[in-house]
Amino acid sequence: QPQLQESGPGLVKPSETLSLTCTVSGGSISSSSYYWGWFRQPPGKELEWLAYIFYSGGTFYNPSLKSRVTISVDTSKNQFSLRLTAVTAADTAVYYCARTYAYGYDLSWGQGTLVTVSS
Amino acid sequence: QTVVTQEPSLTVSPGGTVILTCASSTGAVTSDYYPNWVQQKPGQAPRALIYSTTSRQSWTPVRFSGSLLGGKAALTLSGVQPEDEAEYYCLLYYGGAWVFGGGTKLTVL
Repeated sequence: QPQLQESGPGLVKPSETLSLTCTVSGGSISSSSYYWGWFRQPPGKELEWLAYIFYSGGTFYNPSLKSRVTISVDTSKNQFSLRLTAVTAADTAVYYCARTYAYGYDLSWGQGTLVTVSS
Repeated sequence: QTVVTQEPSLTVSPGGTVILTCASSTGAVTSDYYPNWVQQKPGQAPRALIYSTTSRQSWTPVRFSGSLLGGKAALTLSGVQPEDEAEYYCLLYYGGAWVFGGGTKLTVL
C-alpha cells in the first residue's frame, strides 16, 4: 500500500501562496486507480476536503475554494502538490494528503503538516 | 451551502452500543451519497472506518457497522471498547465534491 508524506513551509504570509507536496512511497502514483487528494483541519475544528486528482489527471475541487486551489501530479518525482493562493489566517490548519479508490475505498491519510498563516 | 449535521457529543458505557447519525441539509441521505465514516483521536491523523454506506475498510473492526437509518447515514458501535473514545466524522458525496459533518465526540465512560 502506498505511503504518504507531506512537506512544505510551516509558515506563510497573508496574501501569499501556500504550496505543499505529498511524496508517495511504496507504489507508483501513475500505475494504480487511486485518487490523490488534500484535506485540512483548522485548530479545534472539523476536517475539510479540498481536492482530488485522479491518477489519469482528472481533477475535483471543493466549490468553496475552487478559485484558489490547484492540485497537480508530478509523475517523475512520484509526488502530487497543492497550491492555495491569497491565503488568510483562516487557512491556518493541519494539511493532510490522502489516497483513495473510488468513493472512499482504501482511504488513507498522511500524518499531516501544520501550516500557519501569519505575518 | 450544503451542511452535514452530526450529534456534537455522545457518551456510552464500555461494552455498550451507540449509534451516530449523519444528516444532509439537501434531504434524505441515500446510498448515492456514498457515506464514509472517519475516526480521529487527539493529535492523530484521521483513519477511515466505513465507505459506501456499509463497507468496512480492511482494517476496521467488525464492531463498527454502517447503515442508513431514517433518512440519515448511521454508524453503529457494538461492544464499545475504551479505545473507541474519539471524534467521528461522516463524509458525504455530492456529485464530485465531498463534505464532512461537524463531527461527534464519543466519550466512553
